Amino acid sequence: GAGVSQSPSNKVTEKGKDVELRCDPISGHTALYWYRQRLGQGLEFLIYFQGNSAPDKSGLPSDRFSAERTGESVSTLTIQRTQQEDSAVYLCASSLALPQPQHFGDGTRLSIL
Amino acid sequence: AQSVTQLDSQVPVFEEAPVELRCNYSSSVSVYLFWYVQYPNQGLQLLLKYLSGSTLVKGINGFEAEFNKSQTSFHLRKPSVHISDTAEYFCAVSFIQGAQKLVFGQGTRLTINP
Repeated sequence: GAGVSQSPSNKVTEKGKDVELRCDPISGHTALYWYRQRLGQGLEFLIYFQGNSAPDKSGLPSDRFSAERTGESVSTLTIQRTQQEDSAVYLCASSLALPQPQHFGDGTRLSIL
Repeated sequence: AQSVTQLDSQVPVFEEAPVELRCNYSSSVSVYLFWYVQYPNQGLQLLLKYLSGSTLVKGINGFEAEFNKSQTSFHLRKPSVHISDTAEYFCAVSFIQGAQKLVFGQGTRLTINP
Protein backbone atom coordinates (compact mmCIF):
# COMPACT_ATOMS: atom_id res chain seq x y z
CA GLY A 1 0.00 0.00 0.00
CA ALA A 2 1.03 3.58 -0.52
CA GLY A 3 0.03 5.00 2.85
CA VAL A 4 1.15 4.74 6.46
CA SER A 5 -0.07 1.48 7.95
CA GLN A 6 -0.74 0.95 11.65
CA SER A 7 -1.60 -2.21 13.53
CA PRO A 8 -3.63 -3.25 15.33
CA SER A 9 -6.49 -0.89 14.50
CA ASN A 10 -8.05 -1.56 17.88
CA LYS A 11 -6.56 -2.90 21.10
CA VAL A 12 -8.36 -3.61 24.34
CA THR A 13 -6.28 -4.66 27.30
CA GLU A 14 -6.37 -4.80 31.06
CA LYS A 15 -4.73 -2.25 33.29
CA GLY A 16 -1.17 -3.22 34.09
CA LYS A 17 -0.51 -5.13 30.87
CA ASP A 18 2.11 -4.11 28.32
CA VAL A 19 1.07 -3.21 24.76
CA GLU A 20 3.00 -2.83 21.53
CA LEU A 21 1.77 -0.73 18.62
CA ARG A 22 3.24 -0.96 15.14
CA CYS A 23 3.73 1.57 12.36
CA ASP A 24 4.84 0.96 8.77
CA PRO A 25 5.77 4.30 7.20
CA ILE A 26 5.60 5.26 3.56
CA SER A 27 8.58 3.82 1.73
CA GLY A 28 11.38 6.37 1.43
CA HIS A 29 10.15 8.60 4.22
CA THR A 30 13.05 9.35 6.51
CA ALA A 31 11.04 10.93 9.32
CA LEU A 32 8.54 9.10 11.54
CA TYR A 33 6.38 10.54 14.31
CA TRP A 34 4.09 9.20 17.02
CA TYR A 35 1.21 11.27 18.39
CA ARG A 36 -1.50 10.59 20.97
CA GLN A 37 -5.08 11.79 20.57
CA ARG A 38 -7.25 11.66 23.64
CA LEU A 39 -11.02 11.79 23.24
CA GLY A 40 -12.18 15.20 22.06
CA GLN A 41 -8.69 16.67 22.06
CA GLY A 42 -5.98 17.59 19.63
CA LEU A 43 -2.88 15.57 18.98
CA GLU A 44 0.00 15.44 21.44
CA PHE A 45 3.48 14.83 20.09
CA LEU A 46 5.20 11.79 21.61
CA ILE A 47 8.40 10.98 19.71
CA TYR A 48 10.17 11.70 16.41
CA PHE A 49 12.72 9.66 14.44
CA GLN A 50 14.83 11.11 11.64
CA GLY A 51 17.13 8.72 9.81
CA ASN A 52 19.97 7.53 12.03
CA SER A 53 19.85 10.55 14.34
CA ALA A 54 18.98 10.22 18.00
CA PRO A 55 15.20 10.33 18.39
CA ASP A 56 13.43 13.34 19.90
CA LYS A 57 11.71 11.79 22.91
CA SER A 58 10.62 15.07 24.47
CA GLY A 59 6.91 14.27 24.24
CA LEU A 60 6.89 10.89 25.96
CA PRO A 61 4.68 11.33 29.04
CA SER A 62 6.45 8.85 31.32
CA ASP A 63 9.17 6.20 31.39
CA ARG A 64 6.47 3.60 30.74
CA PHE A 65 6.46 4.77 27.13
CA SER A 66 9.23 3.83 24.69
CA ALA A 67 9.62 3.52 20.95
CA GLU A 68 12.05 2.00 18.51
CA ARG A 69 12.65 2.29 14.81
CA THR A 70 14.83 0.08 12.68
CA GLY A 71 16.60 2.21 10.08
CA GLU A 72 13.99 3.95 7.97
CA SER A 73 11.38 1.23 8.31
CA VAL A 74 8.97 -0.08 10.89
CA SER A 75 8.53 1.53 14.28
CA THR A 76 7.00 0.12 17.46
CA LEU A 77 5.59 2.11 20.36
CA THR A 78 5.55 0.19 23.64
CA ILE A 79 3.55 1.12 26.70
CA GLN A 80 4.42 -0.81 29.84
CA ARG A 81 2.13 -1.33 32.83
CA THR A 82 -0.76 0.41 31.09
CA GLN A 83 -3.00 2.79 33.03
CA GLN A 84 -6.53 3.90 32.22
CA GLU A 85 -5.29 7.36 31.26
CA ASP A 86 -3.33 5.72 28.44
CA SER A 87 -6.64 5.11 26.63
CA ALA A 88 -6.43 7.11 23.41
CA VAL A 89 -5.89 6.85 19.67
CA TYR A 90 -2.21 6.56 18.84
CA LEU A 91 -1.37 8.01 15.45
CA CYS A 92 1.78 7.48 13.44
CA ALA A 93 2.95 9.79 10.66
CA SER A 94 5.85 9.79 8.24
CA SER A 95 7.36 12.38 5.95
CA LEU A 96 10.31 13.42 3.92
CA ALA A 97 12.30 16.19 5.59
CA LEU A 98 10.53 19.46 6.38
CA PRO A 99 8.87 21.36 4.82
CA GLN A 100 7.23 18.29 3.36
CA PRO A 101 3.98 17.54 5.22
CA GLN A 102 3.38 14.54 7.44
CA HIS A 103 1.21 11.68 6.22
CA PHE A 104 -0.84 9.96 8.90
CA GLY A 105 -2.00 6.40 9.41
CA ASP A 106 -5.52 5.59 10.61
CA GLY A 107 -4.31 5.07 14.16
CA THR A 108 -4.59 2.43 16.84
CA ARG A 109 -7.47 2.88 19.26
CA LEU A 110 -6.23 1.71 22.66
CA SER A 111 -8.70 1.00 25.44
CA ILE A 112 -7.52 0.14 28.93
CA LEU A 113 -10.09 -1.63 31.09
CA ALA B 1 7.15 27.76 23.06
CA GLN B 2 4.70 27.33 20.25
CA SER B 3 0.97 27.10 20.79
CA VAL B 4 -2.06 26.91 18.53
CA THR B 5 -5.55 28.08 19.43
CA GLN B 6 -8.64 27.12 17.51
CA LEU B 7 -11.24 29.51 18.78
CA ASP B 8 -14.31 27.41 18.02
CA SER B 9 -14.68 23.84 19.24
CA GLN B 10 -17.83 23.33 17.16
CA VAL B 11 -19.18 25.09 14.09
CA PRO B 12 -22.62 24.18 12.72
CA VAL B 13 -23.54 25.53 9.28
CA PHE B 14 -26.13 24.84 6.65
CA GLU B 15 -25.24 23.13 3.41
CA GLU B 16 -24.05 25.52 0.67
CA ALA B 17 -23.31 28.26 3.23
CA PRO B 18 -19.81 29.73 3.61
CA VAL B 19 -17.67 28.77 6.57
CA GLU B 20 -14.58 30.08 8.34
CA LEU B 21 -12.65 28.08 10.93
CA ARG B 22 -10.35 30.23 12.99
CA CYS B 23 -6.78 29.49 13.99
CA ASN B 24 -4.29 31.65 15.85
CA TYR B 25 -0.78 30.66 16.78
CA SER B 26 1.94 31.88 19.09
CA SER B 27 5.61 31.46 18.24
CA SER B 28 8.79 33.46 18.72
CA VAL B 29 10.27 32.06 15.50
CA SER B 30 9.07 31.51 11.96
CA VAL B 31 6.78 28.56 11.40
CA TYR B 32 5.17 26.48 8.74
CA LEU B 33 1.37 26.26 8.95
CA PHE B 34 -0.96 23.39 8.13
CA TRP B 35 -4.62 22.44 8.17
CA TYR B 36 -5.57 18.80 8.48
CA VAL B 37 -9.01 17.14 8.31
CA GLN B 38 -10.03 14.02 10.20
CA TYR B 39 -13.05 12.02 9.13
CA PRO B 40 -14.59 9.61 11.66
CA ASN B 41 -12.35 6.67 12.58
CA GLN B 42 -9.66 7.79 10.19
CA GLY B 43 -6.26 9.42 10.42
CA LEU B 44 -5.52 12.98 9.45
CA GLN B 45 -5.46 14.14 5.85
CA LEU B 46 -3.61 17.25 4.75
CA LEU B 47 -5.93 19.99 3.45
CA LEU B 48 -3.36 22.67 2.73
CA LYS B 49 -0.09 24.16 3.89
CA TYR B 50 1.68 27.51 4.04
CA LEU B 51 5.44 27.35 3.67
CA SER B 52 6.35 30.72 2.12
CA GLY B 53 5.33 33.08 -0.66
CA SER B 54 1.71 34.01 -1.34
CA THR B 55 -0.25 34.33 1.87
CA LEU B 56 -3.40 32.87 0.30
CA VAL B 57 -3.08 29.13 -0.13
CA LYS B 58 -5.53 26.82 -1.81
CA GLY B 59 -6.04 23.24 -0.80
CA ILE B 60 -8.13 20.23 -1.61
CA ASN B 61 -11.93 20.05 -1.58
CA GLY B 62 -12.31 23.77 -2.30
CA PHE B 63 -10.73 24.97 0.95
CA GLU B 64 -8.36 27.90 1.21
CA ALA B 65 -6.54 29.67 4.04
CA GLU B 66 -4.86 33.01 4.48
CA PHE B 67 -1.70 33.54 6.49
CA ASN B 68 -1.72 36.84 8.38
CA LYS B 69 1.64 37.39 10.03
CA SER B 70 0.68 40.55 11.92
CA GLN B 71 -2.33 38.84 13.49
CA THR B 72 -0.58 35.45 13.73
CA SER B 73 -3.61 33.82 12.18
CA PHE B 74 -4.24 31.14 9.58
CA HIS B 75 -8.01 30.94 9.15
CA LEU B 76 -9.56 28.27 6.94
CA ARG B 77 -12.41 29.15 4.59
CA LYS B 78 -14.75 27.55 2.10
CA PRO B 79 -17.33 29.56 0.13
CA SER B 80 -19.93 26.79 -0.04
CA VAL B 81 -19.87 23.67 2.13
CA HIS B 82 -21.21 20.22 1.41
CA ILE B 83 -22.54 17.50 3.68
CA SER B 84 -19.35 15.56 3.02
CA ASP B 85 -17.30 18.32 4.69
CA THR B 86 -18.59 17.19 8.08
CA ALA B 87 -15.40 16.31 9.99
CA GLU B 88 -12.90 17.50 12.59
CA TYR B 89 -10.43 20.13 11.39
CA PHE B 90 -7.03 20.69 12.97
CA CYS B 91 -4.67 23.62 12.58
CA ALA B 92 -0.98 22.87 13.19
CA VAL B 93 2.39 24.60 13.12
CA SER B 94 5.98 23.43 12.99
CA PHE B 95 9.29 25.21 13.40
CA ILE B 96 11.13 26.10 10.23
CA GLN B 97 14.34 25.22 12.05
CA GLY B 98 14.95 22.87 14.93
CA ALA B 99 12.24 20.57 16.27
CA GLN B 100 10.31 18.91 13.48
CA LYS B 101 7.17 18.02 15.40
CA LEU B 102 3.74 19.42 14.67
CA VAL B 103 1.96 21.38 17.38
CA PHE B 104 -1.79 21.02 16.98
CA GLY B 105 -4.78 23.05 18.02
CA GLN B 106 -7.63 21.36 19.86
CA GLY B 107 -9.67 20.91 16.72
CA THR B 108 -12.95 22.31 15.36
CA ARG B 109 -15.84 19.99 14.67
CA LEU B 110 -17.63 21.17 11.53
CA THR B 111 -21.19 19.94 11.23
CA ILE B 112 -23.10 20.54 8.01
CA ASN B 113 -26.87 20.55 8.28
CA PRO B 114 -29.11 20.00 5.25
